Amino acid sequence: DGGITQSPKYLFRKEGQNVTLSCEQNLNHDAMYWYRQDPGQGLRLIYYSQIVNDFQKGDIAEGYSVSREKKESFPLTVTSAQKNPTAFYLCASSREAGELFFGEGSRLTVL
Amino acid sequence: SQQGEEDPQALSIQEGENATMNCSYKTSINNLQWYRQNSGRGLVHLILIRSNEREKHSGRLRVTLDTSKKSSSLLITASRAADTASYFCATVLNAGGTSYGKLTFGQGTILTVHP
Repeated sequence: DGGITQSPKYLFRKEGQNVTLSCEQNLNHDAMYWYRQDPGQGLRLIYYSQIVNDFQKGDIAEGYSVSREKKESFPLTVTSAQKNPTAFYLCASSREAGELFFGEGSRLTVL
Repeated sequence: SQQGEEDPQALSIQEGENATMNCSYKTSINNLQWYRQNSGRGLVHLILIRSNEREKHSGRLRVTLDTSKKSSSLLITASRAADTASYFCATVLNAGGTSYGKLTFGQGTILTVHP
């Protein structure tokens, strides 16, 4: 079935460590997005990419990095520079300015 | 600041009743979308309404858009316990000619439907 796969579902990190969250899609969508969701809050955009080898900062990009080497893949690295990384991370993809298809999310906890 | 703001923040109703959620936004949009999120899961797209549309239906869902008031509403008719979830509105801003628009989400409305 077509869709978006995020892994891992749960991740624990010690302070000072970088971690990478995986996002893969087989929907043949050009655009991919990373959002962060804190408890009881809406989604905030971290990074987005409209085409391979190009990506743009969203509203809260500090402390995060991404790459888009393949159309299907858009991994997110949470670096040690991110001061408060504990959150629920959601990856999504879309065609043009249409609906977003979301993965099931990755929950990151800093110990 | 958030582009979209939902009202109410929480809504509790009985099965069979209708549920209405409202969304207000601040700037000109290309389209507005509603999403549903079950606890701890990803979001699921419900409906998209374009800036030149006023009303749209999908099954038990009815969405209206008033661009003069910069507001939208989502009506769920004959609600069921399975409708219990958080509902978010999201706007795609007019992107000045680019066709890919990043979504800006509101804080969401938590809907609880009691059996």
